[in-house]
Amino acid sequence: NAGVMQNPRHLVRRRGQEARLRCSPMKGHSHVYWYRQLPEEGLKFMVYLQKENIIDESGMPKERFSAEFPKEGPSILRIQQVVRGDSAAYFCASSPLTSGPGELFFGEGSRLTVL
Amino acid sequence: AQSVTQLGSHVSVSEGALVLLRCNYSSSVPPYLFWYVQYPNQGLQLLLKYTSAATLVKGINGFEAEFKKSETSFHLTKPSAHMSDAAEYFCAVKGGGSEKLVFGKGTKLTVNP
Repeated sequence: NAGVMQNPRHLVRRRGQEARLRCSPMKGHSHVYWYRQLPEEGLKFMVYLQKENIIDESGMPKERFSAEFPKEGPSILRIQQVVRGDSAAYFCASSPLTSGPGELFFGEGSRLTVL
Repeated sequence: AQSVTQLGSHVSVSEGALVLLRCNYSSSVPPYLFWYVQYPNQGLQLLLKYTSAATLVKGINGFEAEFKKSETSFHLTKPSAHMSDAAEYFCAVKGGGSEKLVFGKGTKLTVNP
């Protein structure tokens, strides 16, 4: 059973370009979460999605960031007009339909470097 | 709102010594609590979780944690450190109707030979 798959693992962009990060959840999981990790900062929640719905986007910056989880295909975190401050590791996690006390299962992350 | 404080961003122990990583939480409702481990350039792996079934929780790789409501703590321990335990450890809390995990800032564990 494959785990949470994220790609690309490493992405380099110049300032002003767009970054697209993809996440395929574990089989049978319909909940997807995105977190951002900066050195010494821990993991910061960004957004929680179910298929075709954004459930909680309280951690998303108001501008340039968007996320989707379509009916078919992976979840995508999109960052428009990237700036150096967007350089970070972005982690996707998934959980099954019935969560409650259930844990999140994490991918290996996508590391974005903005030049 | 839930929050987690991890005391000590860096902890260093000798191989074979006790490992103690501290975590205090804040939650307005009985929480679910988790410890994750992250090895360099990898994702997070669940070590153990507290879901109110038992206050002493045993996890993988010999780790355990004890939920103490009176102290709002969920410290992680291991009796004898191994070199392979060197990693970053994150405490996280969930609850109050929210499905998201709220993480502490992490503690980097170094194990010296």
